[in-house]
Amino acid sequence: EVQLVESGGGLVQPGASLKLSCIASGFTFRGFAMNWVRQTHGKALEWIAIINYDGSYTNYAPSLKNRFTISRDNAKSTLYLQMNNVRSEDTATYYCTRNDNSNWFAYWGQGTLVTVSS
Amino acid sequence: DIVMTQTPSSQAVSAGEKVTMSCKSSQSLLYSENKKNYLAWYQQKPGQSPKLLISWASTRESGVPDRFIGSGSGTDFTLTISSVQAEDLAVYYCEQYYDTPLTFGSGTKLEIK
Repeated sequence: EVQLVESGGGLVQPGASLKLSCIASGFTFRGFAMNWVRQTHGKALEWIAIINYDGSYTNYAPSLKNRFTISRDNAKSTLYLQMNNVRSEDTATYYCTRNDNSNWFAYWGQGTLVTVSS
Repeated sequence: DIVMTQTPSSQAVSAGEKVTMSCKSSQSLLYSENKKNYLAWYQQKPGQSPKLLISWASTRESGVPDRFIGSGSGTDFTLTISSVQAEDLAVYYCEQYYDTPLTFGSGTKLEIK
């Protein structure tokens, strides 16, 4: 069974940094591209970034590219999202997702909530 | 960016009824070389993560009931639930994966009368 478990969310002050993690199990992690997607309280879904199977290719939502970095450690079956200089508008639930044959999100984690507030 | 527009934003139906919801894209999602539409549908039940229902505009995922039907091509797409069940209470989102940035519609909330 595919499982994606996010962690690292919480309450953080504006301007701070935060690193989210997603531990994958139930499949060969190094064989799949992975993404981060976020959902605001208003329920809008926003794609953040994608990383290919070996980490040699990444692509970002243009509005987030300068502050967020996606990475992976295939030896640890773990996906990461480094968030820098966070803002109130970054408050959302952050999901780790796995691709299948193309860029749809075949599997989702349960999400980790990030709240940016002073 | 490709803008995805979903209508209606919400609708209420009785169990057993047929329901349709629309998703329109600001540019064609049909890739000429393989004749495939790069559109997916997701279902998000209350308190849960989104779940993939349909890819390539009309291909149901394994285990998805056949009452969920995706159709359309180019810029106009439809998700039909042929006979709504109480467990279909959810928000339904479309997503285009034709180009990055990958983008979602704002969702259609389905309520059961």
